[in-house]
Amino acid sequence: QQQVKQSPQSLIVQKGGISIINCAYENTAFDYFPWYQQFPGKGPALLIAIRPDVSEKKEGRFTISFNKSAKQFSLHIMDSQPGDSATYFCAARGNTGNQFYFGTGTSLTVIP
Amino acid sequence: DAGVIQSPRHEVTEMGQEVTLRCKPISGHNSLFWYRQTMMRGLELLIYFNNNVPIDDSGMPEDRFSAKMPNASFSTLKIQPSEPRDSAVYFCASSQGTSGESDTQYFGPGTRLTVL
Repeated sequence: QQQVKQSPQSLIVQKGGISIINCAYENTAFDYFPWYQQFPGKGPALLIAIRPDVSEKKEGRFTISFNKSAKQFSLHIMDSQPGDSATYFCAARGNTGNQFYFGTGTSLTVIP
Repeated sequence: DAGVIQSPRHEVTEMGQEVTLRCKPISGHNSLFWYRQTMMRGLELLIYFNNNVPIDDSGMPEDRFSAKMPNASFSTLKIQPSEPRDSAVYFCASSQGTSGESDTQYFGPGTRLTVL
């Protein structure tokens, strides 16, 4: 059972455009929602994270939008650059431990 | 800080052989995670330790897989006997193991395992 559902599986965006990746979850006990970025041949690395007590968090060109009532959160990459081409994973953590549940990943390609 | 260290980076073995993957977490981190990544199934948690104690091993596929953490600075994931379907990239990650932002998991570079 996939605890966190992520879409789309792949995304192609023109340079300068906005990339949007969506995730949904069912478990209301989740209390921490990070996004990870993974380049080929590397391990995932934390990009940005949010807690459910805020609806939005922005760091540079990266923004998380969080909708607690809908149990959805999304990553927005503004002014997308070819260097942003990578696989992005959303994740969620339960409040009774530190186990993370990862989405299936989105392969982003930014075309110059 | 050197980050999470994994070895070997690549492993090619034949079906039936024993495979041992190694991980050194970031110093001071109390939690260690083993993940498996494949195209078909994405990133799957196999097992995680807190203060060297296995907390949840429900993700371990079968008895052929075992993991140990004899001390705070070393963990192994062993597959015996290995099968072609075990071919994947295996990641080790560590975190401080406390609630809050410090729960960030830091991933190693991974071990690419190929079982022929």
